[in-house]
Parts: sequence; structure tokens; C-alpha cells
Amino acid sequence: DGGITQSPKYLFRKEGQNVTLSCEQNLNHDAMYWYRQDPGQGLRLIYYSQIVNDFQKGDIAEGYSVSREKKESFPLTVTSAQKNPTAFYLCAGLTGIGGYTFGSGTRLTVV
Amino acid sequence: GESVGLHLPTLSVQEGDNSIINCAYSNSASDYFIWYKQESGKGPQFIIDIRSNMDKRQGQRVTVLLNKTVKHLSLQIAATQPGDSAVYFCAERANDYKLSFGAGTTVTVRA
Repeated sequence: DGGITQSPKYLFRKEGQNVTLSCEQNLNHDAMYWYRQDPGQGLRLIYYSQIVNDFQKGDIAEGYSVSREKKESFPLTVTSAQKNPTAFYLCAGLTGIGGYTFGSGTRLTVV
Repeated sequence: GESVGLHLPTLSVQEGDNSIINCAYSNSASDYFIWYKQESGKGPQFIIDIRSNMDKRQGQRVTVLLNKTVKHLSLQIAATQPGDSAVYFCAERANDYKLSFGAGTTVTVRA
């Protein structure tokens, strides 16, 4: 199956803990993205990467970090500096025609 | 900054009726627009797209209309079915690498 694979589907974080969300793709996308979605809200861009070993901050990058060591992988770390991390996180890749293919999402909850 | 928005946050439609979901955009330089459907707990899925050199595009039971004069985009769903219940997002391509999303319209289909 080709696509964007996010894991885990559900993740629980304790106060002060860093957690990493996985995003893997086998679609040969150069550009990849992380979005945050809050209930009843649209998608807000956290970070994006146009090529390997390069990434840029989006609109709400504070408290998050990413890496892009391989084309296939774009993990997102939610750090303890992110004070309100409970949300639905979506990873996406840029298709050849200019749209996105999305993963199935990770729901992060602070406990 | 410029953004994409939707006219109504919710839409209730009788099964079998046609649905029309509206979206206003503000970036006159946008050249590509997409409609996504997001079911509860899942990632957004591509429905249909349209380029700025077109006014209308049809898919299976869906039609997208683009009015560049008033910067308006709409999605029409014919013979709405229970499986069409979801959140619908419009997106515009602001540059080569990023899409901007509206807040979404929640469509509920009444039996």
C-alpha cells in the first residue's frame, strides 16, 4: 500500500514529556508538512520540508521540532515547551500536481 | 496574511438533495484550488481540484465552480448520501509549496 503512514494513531503525553510522532511515505514526495487541527478548526501549519536536510517553520512552530534525514521520513517532536499540545496532528506530502496527500493522523492527548 | 475561508460552518441537508458548499478566497494570485473531505478521526481526502484557467470541473457526483471575479469557490454534491456526512475544506495554492486551508464546513445528511 502506498501512501503517508502516521503512527501511532493515539498518543498520550505526560506533563513535561517530549513525544515524537512518526510520518513515513513511499510516494517519493519531496515536500512534506505537519499540520495541527483543533476541534472545529482548520489546519494550521507547524513545519514543512521541501527537501532532505532542510525544513522551515510554519505558522505555529513554537514548542515543536522536526528532522528530515531521509526523504521517506519526517518525524515531529512535541516538546515540553508546547503548553497546549492536545490536538489532532496531520502529516502530508506534496503531490506532482500541487495538492497534498494526507496521512490518517495522530491524536495526541496530555494526561 | 491572506487566507481561505468558508461561508458557513455547518450545513444540514436532506438525503437525496443537492448540497452546495461555499468558500471565499482572498489571494488573487492563487492558481490552484482543491476540495477535501474529512471524516471523523481521519485525514482529509482529495475530492476534486480546479485550476485558475477553468470555471467549472465535474467529477463523480461533485462539481467545483470557480468565480475569479468575486474570488469564490463552491462544491456541489449531487444526490447527497449519508456517506457524504463529513467536514469539507477548500484549499488554495498560495505558492509552489504550500496550501492555505479554510476552517471547514460540517455537512450533516438527514435521513
